[in-house]
Amino acid sequence: QSALTQPASVSGSPGQSITISCTGTSSDVGTYNLVSWYQHHPGKAPKLLIYEVTKRPSVVSNRFSGSKSGNTASLTISGLQAGDEADYYCCSYAGSTTWLFGGGTTLTVL
Amino acid sequence: QLQESGPGLVKPSQTLSLTCTVSGDPIARGGYYWTWIRQHPGKGLEWIGNIFYPGTTYHNPSLKSRVIISVDTSKNQFSLRLNSVTAADTAVYFCARVPYSGAYHFDYWGQGTLVIV
Repeated sequence: QSALTQPASVSGSPGQSITISCTGTSSDVGTYNLVSWYQHHPGKAPKLLIYEVTKRPSVVSNRFSGSKSGNTASLTISGLQAGDEADYYCCSYAGSTTWLFGGGTTLTVL
Repeated sequence: QLQESGPGLVKPSQTLSLTCTVSGDPIARGGYYWTWIRQHPGKGLEWIGNIFYPGTTYHNPSLKSRVIISVDTSKNQFSLRLNSVTAADTAVYFCARVPYSGAYHFDYWGQGTLVIV
C-alpha cells in the first residue's frame, strides 16, 4: 500500500478559491466513497473537514467542499482566509480495515 | 477529548509505549474504533492501527507484528506498544476516534506527542 499523492504545496490570495487533489488507486480512492480530509495546524489536533467524499460536519464552514472523480479526490476551499493557512491531509479507506493517508499539502495564503 | 502521553525518548530496539486518555465517552460503551496514527518528521500521516472494544485489533501491514493496541476501561484509556523500535519510528504519534461502526473517518484527534528513537 502506497500513500495517497497530494501536491506538496498550494497557495492563494484571500478571497480566492483553491483545490487540493488526492490521487490514489482503484483499490482505495477509486473503489470506496470513503475519502476524508483533515486540516492540521502544527502543534494542534487535526480537524475533520470532509468525510465520505462530500459530507461536512455541522461545525465546519461551507467554504470547504469535497468531490471525487475516478481515483482522484479533491478538496476545494473557497473565500480563502488567513486562518486557512495550514496543512491538509486526505485519507481513504483501503479495505480490510486499513486506511491510507496522503503526504499532506501546505496551504499558504498570500 | 483525547490526550496522548508517554516517554518522549526511546532507545533503539526497545518498546515504545503510549497511552491515550479519553474524556467524555466511555470506551466500554463500544461502537468506536480507537486509533493510532503517526507523522514522521516532515512527512505525511500513517495509520498505525485500531482497536474495536472489547478487543478486536487491526494494524498497518507495514508494521508487521510489532504493534500491540489495548484498552484499559478502568482508566478510560487505550494504549500503543511498538516493539523493536528504530530511528525510523521517530514521529509524532496521534490518537484518534472513528465515531461509529460503519464510519471510516476520524472525528476527534489528540494533539500528538513526539517520540524520538
